[in-house]
Amino acid sequence: ETGVTQSPTHLIKTRGQQVTLRCSSQSGHNTVSWYQQALGQGPQFIFQYYREEENGRGNFPPRFSGLQFPNYSSELNVNALELDDSALYLCASSSGTGTGSEKLFFGSGTQLSVL
Amino acid sequence: DQQVKQNSPSLSVQEGRISILNCDYTNSMFDYFLWYKKYPAEGPTFLISISSIKDKNEDGRFTVFLNKSAKHLSLHIVPSQPGDSAVYFCAARRRGAGSYQLTFGKGTKLSVIP
Repeated sequence: ETGVTQSPTHLIKTRGQQVTLRCSSQSGHNTVSWYQQALGQGPQFIFQYYREEENGRGNFPPRFSGLQFPNYSSELNVNALELDDSALYLCASSSGTGTGSEKLFFGSGTQLSVL
Repeated sequence: DQQVKQNSPSLSVQEGRISILNCDYTNSMFDYFLWYKKYPAEGPTFLISISSIKDKNEDGRFTVFLNKSAKHLSLHIVPSQPGDSAVYFCAARRRGAGSYQLTFGKGTKLSVIP
C-alpha cells in the first residue's frame, strides 16, 4: 500500500508567477484535501475534492484552484503568486463520502518559496 | 481569530514521565477533535481522536480528554519516550461540515529528554 506522495518537494518561484503542485492519493482513497502551513502556524484548509468535484473550501482567494483526476490524484494551482504564499503545502487523502470521521493521511508536503 | 489554540509552543518532559499537551477551542460547532504528530520533513500523522459525545478516549500510551463545558481538551502520553519528540497539533472539525475541513492549532513542540 503506497502512501500519499507529493511533488515536487521544494520549489522556488518569483512573485506574479503561477505554480502547480501535485499529489497522489493513498491507494483506495477517493477524497483529497489541501492545506497550507505557514511558518510557525498550523495547517490551514484550502479545499477538498471528492469524486472530482470540489466539496469544501476554506478562506482562500480564487487564485487558488484545484483539480482531482479519475485516478483520484490531484493538483493545486496558484496564480499570481504573492510573497505570503510561501509555505508548506500539504495534501491529505481519505476514504469515504467526505462527511464521516475518517482520518486524514498526509503527504510530506511541498515547500514553496516565493521571492 | 484563532478557533483552536495551543498556548504552549513547547514542552520538555523526562523520559518515563507523563506529557500533557493542552488545547482550547472557541467554536461550539466543533463536534470531533483529533491530535496529529509531525516529525521534521514529514507530513502530520494521525494519533488519536475523540467525538464530542465522549469525554475520554484511550489508545495505548495515548489518552485524550475532552471537557466540553470548558471547551478544552488534553492529550496525555504515559510513559513518554524519546521517539515521542515531535510537534503535536490539535485539530477540530465543525458539525455539519460536508468535508474533512479541519481547523488546526499552531502546535506544541514536545521534547522528551532521555
